[in-house]
Amino acid sequence: QKEVEQDPGPLSVPEGAIVSLNCTYSNSAFQYFMWYRQYSRKGPELLMYTYSSGNKEDGRFTAQVDKSSKYISLFIRDSQPSDSATYLCAPVGSYNTDKLIFGTGTRLQVFP
Amino acid sequence: DGGITQSPKYLFRKEGQNVTLSCEQNLNHDAMYWYRQDPGQGLRLIYYSQIVNDFQKGDIAEGYSVSREKKESFPLTVTSAQKNPTAFYLCASSTGQNYGYTFGSGTRLTVV
Repeated sequence: QKEVEQDPGPLSVPEGAIVSLNCTYSNSAFQYFMWYRQYSRKGPELLMYTYSSGNKEDGRFTAQVDKSSKYISLFIRDSQPSDSATYLCAPVGSYNTDKLIFGTGTRLQVFP
Repeated sequence: DGGITQSPKYLFRKEGQNVTLSCEQNLNHDAMYWYRQDPGQGLRLIYYSQIVNDFQKGDIAEGYSVSREKKESFPLTVTSAQKNPTAFYLCASSTGQNYGYTFGSGTRLTVV
């Protein structure tokens, strides 16, 4: 079993839709959870960063963590064509490891 | 502005040739990383370095080499021993894995 799993998509939605992007992980030691956004032919950029379980909201984006089921989600409200990108999750352990583990990413397409 | 610069953006190589990809950062980050990205496979770690003059192999180091002579620079050499080098290569840096990574814009290498 991979440590981090994501549905690769593509996920295609109309403009204005609510998008749910999901990620599962296997290691219960993960404490921090990051979401990266990657536009085509660009490097990923950090979008959101949450600690432990619960929700975190930033504008149209909400990150949700359920540690009991090892499931993390990123919700995008009122999706825009500019949100079209690949979204990668990256859980982080509380232990002192030296590298991040990324999911494969979910490709999102928002059409006008 | 601080950031990571990867060059060149596009690179073509003939089979049997070595090629070096440049990565420079002015963020004063201690750790630097090289990833390879292929469609449907997400980010795979090639090499990483936490301090100058020290580096470790990642998950797919075969056919690659690196050096870390300066804090700001972490060049990656793709050698002729790499069987399938055509890919998108991403360099990243970090002050520590709990704080996330800053990525460069990537180099697309094509073997012709």
